[in-house]
Amino acid sequence: DTAVSQTPKYLVTQMGNDKSIKCEQNLGHDTMYWYKQDSKKFLKIMFSYNNKELIINETVPNRFSPKSPDKAHLNLHINSLELGDSAVYFCASSQRGGREKLFFGSGTQLSVL
Amino acid sequence: QKEVEQNSGPLSVPEGAIASLNCTYSDRGSQSFFWYRQYSGKSPELIMFIYSNGDKEDGRFTAQLNKASQYVSLLIRDSQPSDSATYLCAVQTQGGSEKLVFGKGTKLTVNP
Repeated sequence: DTAVSQTPKYLVTQMGNDKSIKCEQNLGHDTMYWYKQDSKKFLKIMFSYNNKELIINETVPNRFSPKSPDKAHLNLHINSLELGDSAVYFCASSQRGGREKLFFGSGTQLSVL
Repeated sequence: QKEVEQNSGPLSVPEGAIASLNCTYSDRGSQSFFWYRQYSGKSPELIMFIYSNGDKEDGRFTAQLNKASQYVSLLIRDSQPSDSATYLCAVQTQGGSEKLVFGKGTKLTVNP
């Protein structure tokens, strides 16, 4: 059983399109995250939800909108995709808001053409 | 901006040697420190965490923390080719929204 699963694994799309990435965790964790890893491997937090409530919203363009229908799911919708959005997006979860180990999903490689 | 700095490397060591990875952080109030390993094309995985000053050992890995100097390090003894990966230092920030801030990673290559 995969602890944190995200889909799709690869996403290739044209500039200006809208796309979504889905994430689910079966660990019973309260907190979920979206991280972006750029081509230089820099992993930067984008959003964090605790029990469906948004608690961290970094300086991210408002074209990015997270949604958490329940504490086991955190999806990321991206409007009007730009070339600079190309990166690997990781979903992660933890038990106690970052004090505990982060469990990462396998990542979504987004390529905007 | 609370930052975590790492030497991006690459760091190259021969098999069997000790690999030393270093990390400094700017948030003096940080209490929790983590080392993640990331193989190429894979997701990060936690290998060590440390909360108190001093050393913490787990098998071939030793994490060292010096809060006064705001310095965290990871030592890998008897390095193996399978240790070749990017090592990410992560620090939990304090105040307001607690979050894990990652350094840019150090790429380690262990040569057979």
